Amino acid sequence: DIQMTQSPSTLSASVGDRVTITCRASQSISSWLAWYQQKPGKAPNLLIYKASSLESGVPSRFSGSGSGTEFTLTISSLQPDDFATYYCQQYDSYSLTFGGGTKVEIK
Amino acid sequence: QVQLQESGPGLVKPSQTLSLTCTVSGGSTSSGTYYWSWIRQPAGKGLEWIGRIDTSGSTNYNPSLKSRVTISVDTSKNQFSLKLSSVTAADTAVYYCARDAGIGGVFFDYWGQGTLVTVSS
Repeated sequence: DIQMTQSPSTLSASVGDRVTITCRASQSISSWLAWYQQKPGKAPNLLIYKASSLESGVPSRFSGSGSGTEFTLTISSLQPDDFATYYCQQYDSYSLTFGGGTKVEIK
Repeated sequence: QVQLQESGPGLVKPSQTLSLTCTVSGGSTSSGTYYWSWIRQPAGKGLEWIGRIDTSGSTNYNPSLKSRVTISVDTSKNQFSLKLSSVTAADTAVYYCARDAGIGGVFFDYWGQGTLVTVSS
């Protein structure tokens, strides 16, 4: 299985901050990476696919980058609605795997 | 707007089989473009993909669960289903059904709200 490691596991930030979350794959996954946002008690919501493609309807303050084994999700200016947990997911192989999650908390 | 809704027992006894159904509306399980997946999340933990199926019944399963999992599709009812056998307390989780983009990439653009399944005697 391809292991996905996210860092940090928790991040404290303020409204307006630029936030970056990192996801590392145990082997190259090209650009086959997606990012999701999950709020408590809710299903995850797709933000980014193919490493940097913004899902329709997702605010442009979210962006993704990277290829190979290292990827980042950036929120350019954190908004109150963005406090949530974020997950990366690789789809290079049919044994799909998710990262462990990054919780973005209010500072 | 595609909507997915999970249904099934919320409590399953150890060693028994967990059975869930996902009903799709606003979209079709007959579509050759998409696959239909099950994903689970234990309380306070991360996400684990269980497996997926396409309209023809072609499946892919998580190797760690493959021996216990069966996913099937009923296009006449616009539903797909999950069976997980020989369950233990470790299978207690919120179970989600989701659509993936199939040949467009195995990421999940529509999700059900999730259903909690507890394994306990």
